[in-house]
Amino acid sequence: QSVLTQPPSVSGAPGQRVTISCTGSSSNIGAGYDVHWYQQLPGTAPKLLISGTSNRPSGVPDRFSGSKSGTSASLAITGLQPEDEAEYYCQSSDTTVSGRYVFGTGTKVTVL
Amino acid sequence: QVQLVQSGAEVKKPGSSVKVSCTASGGTFSSYTINWVRQAPGQGLEWMGRIIFTLGITDYAQNFQGRVTITADKSTRTAYMELSSLRFDDTAVYYCARDTPGDWFDPWGQGTLVTVSS
Repeated sequence: QSVLTQPPSVSGAPGQRVTISCTGSSSNIGAGYDVHWYQQLPGTAPKLLISGTSNRPSGVPDRFSGSKSGTSASLAITGLQPEDEAEYYCQSSDTTVSGRYVFGTGTKVTVL
Repeated sequence: QVQLVQSGAEVKKPGSSVKVSCTASGGTFSSYTINWVRQAPGQGLEWMGRIIFTLGITDYAQNFQGRVTITADKSTRTAYMELSSLRFDDTAVYYCARDTPGDWFDPWGQGTLVTVSS
């Protein structure tokens, strides 16, 4: 049911930069809706990481950044840390009848 | 600081119903809109629906129309999600989460595991 597509996995060594893409369509990201990102550690609830496409909530390290262009968005982790190993999801709003909110398929980040 | 606390794990038989609660504390009550999101084992997140607490207005994902009912009790600041005609593939962790005027979800409840088993 996910309408936002993410790569299943990305990996990098500590200190490296990795990016996660989130590809949508004209009914969600392309319609101008913001994209939000969540980090989910194993066995825990998702946690807000980036709001409003590029804003970091209080307490989120500045190595996390978000951006958007056209029908896609990206999450970048600059200076990858071992504790960043987790699942990451994008989320946006959608204009179709199927649902108000849509999530990405999820990306597992592995720190080598 | 808003906190959401959910009810405990449930085991249900196929064809039955389950009702999960989500109790809110802290924050400005008038701004609460509670969403329900589920995550099947090893799978991604799926939005199910939401309720605007103060107005009782609901909004459901098409995939769950007719099977899910979201309600709220303002006096106890508790939202409920009832899913009927349970199937084996409804086995999942069900989360509640508050959405904001910017349409992001924060915070989330701790999750409730619902297992559908015969």
